[in-house]
Amino acid sequence: DVKVTQSSRYLVKRTGEKVFLECVQDMDHENMFWYRQDPGLGLRLIYFSYDVKMKEKGDIPEGYSVSREKKERFSLILESASTNQTSMYLCASSPGTGGEKLFFGSGTQLSVL
Amino acid sequence: AQSVTQLDSQVPVFEEAPVELRCNYSSSVSVYLFWYVQYPNQGLQLLLKYLSGSTLVKGINGFEAEFNKSQTSFHLRKPSVHISDTAEYFCAVRTSGTTSYGKLTFGQGTILTVHP
Repeated sequence: DVKVTQSSRYLVKRTGEKVFLECVQDMDHENMFWYRQDPGLGLRLIYFSYDVKMKEKGDIPEGYSVSREKKERFSLILESASTNQTSMYLCASSPGTGGEKLFFGSGTQLSVL
Repeated sequence: AQSVTQLDSQVPVFEEAPVELRCNYSSSVSVYLFWYVQYPNQGLQLLLKYLSGSTLVKGINGFEAEFNKSQTSFHLRKPSVHISDTAEYFCAVRTSGTTSYGKLTFGQGTILTVHP
């Protein structure tokens, strides 16, 4: 089975800190995604990547950046964390341009205090 | 751009009763449609998908959904629910072209709570 692993289940940070969320997939998928999940808002796409070093903005990229130096790893970076970035962050991957099914990690619950 | 609206934020139901979770979408181009389920403290997993062909799609755990192009809907149904179906359900859409890279637009989610 495909495995998408997010490095932390829970994370607590202070406002202004630089935060790194890591995601690794083990099935050689081309596409990787970062979503943010908030109650009543569903999942919103922050950034996605369709190849190494390639990235595109999603619907809510402000305050975030990403890095994909290796195919299996996709990092989400909060340059200067703010309280409104407290949320559940979900990483996902999918194969090729068909990409019919996303495989999700278990999520990282980030609290910014 | 496409959008998805899930019409009910919470649906309470008794065990063994039927359930319908409603989803409407908006798009100017052809789309693929999906339902995902999220059990407590877990990531999302695919329940079913509509890509083309028969408008009635069957998924895992006894769920099915019907694609209605004229009403731009993709409602999820189950004839008899179990306690274990308690979860949050997400409807999602993506354009059918290959340039979308598989990125999905999700609805707001519907929390299904099954009571004994």
